[in-house]
Amino acid sequence: GAVVSQHPSRVICKSGTSVKIECRSLDFQATTMFWYRQFPKQSLMLMATSNEGSKATYEQGVEKDKFLINHASLTLSTLTVTSAHPEDSSFYICSANGFSGTGLETQYFGPGTRLLVL
Amino acid sequence: GQQLNQSPQSMFIQEGEDVSMNCTSSSIFNTWLWYKQDPGEGPVLLIALYKAGELTSNGRLTAQFGITRKDSFLNISASIPSDVGIYFCAGRRSTGTASKLTFGTGTRLQVTL
Repeated sequence: GAVVSQHPSRVICKSGTSVKIECRSLDFQATTMFWYRQFPKQSLMLMATSNEGSKATYEQGVEKDKFLINHASLTLSTLTVTSAHPEDSSFYICSANGFSGTGLETQYFGPGTRLLVL
Repeated sequence: GQQLNQSPQSMFIQEGEDVSMNCTSSSIFNTWLWYKQDPGEGPVLLIALYKAGELTSNGRLTAQFGITRKDSFLNISASIPSDVGIYFCAGRRSTGTASKLTFGTGTRLQVTL
């Protein structure tokens, strides 16, 4: 299957600072990547769809000025949490649509980034 | 956002037992995916289903795409301790690289020796 990586795996920052998370598709090109947020013991909630070369599409209730997304190349999307506050502490996961060994399209996830805002 | 209903929410089983979980929706999906998530990690794809009625196996795992396209189930046979984790179903309505997933609420599986 396709491989998606994320960096960093975990980050601790002070309230008010900005944090950038990178998502890379390692062995395939992804014109679209997705960013999710997951709170403890909950399911994944889609935050936004990242489109290469154009603006991201945000889900209802997600502040686009707070969660800046840049998809500058076919293998890299970044999520910047601006002016982070403790309530932004969460597990952030990215994904991308790729093709399985049988040639069918499916969605592959990165390992996630644990953000803790103090 | 919308979530798919998964049941059971959690289950404790003994090693060697079979496990069954399902996922239901009020609307139609054209693709169903099953993922497993270990603590502190991203979801890992287990099985993908693309046609209504499709039954697909991956080792001890078997999943089916419901005929109505509004549900799917996952079976795990002869469970082992490493099956512990959270299992999520996910549905997708359209195809194409920009198609989004809707996730289920998750089933937490714990296996005792």
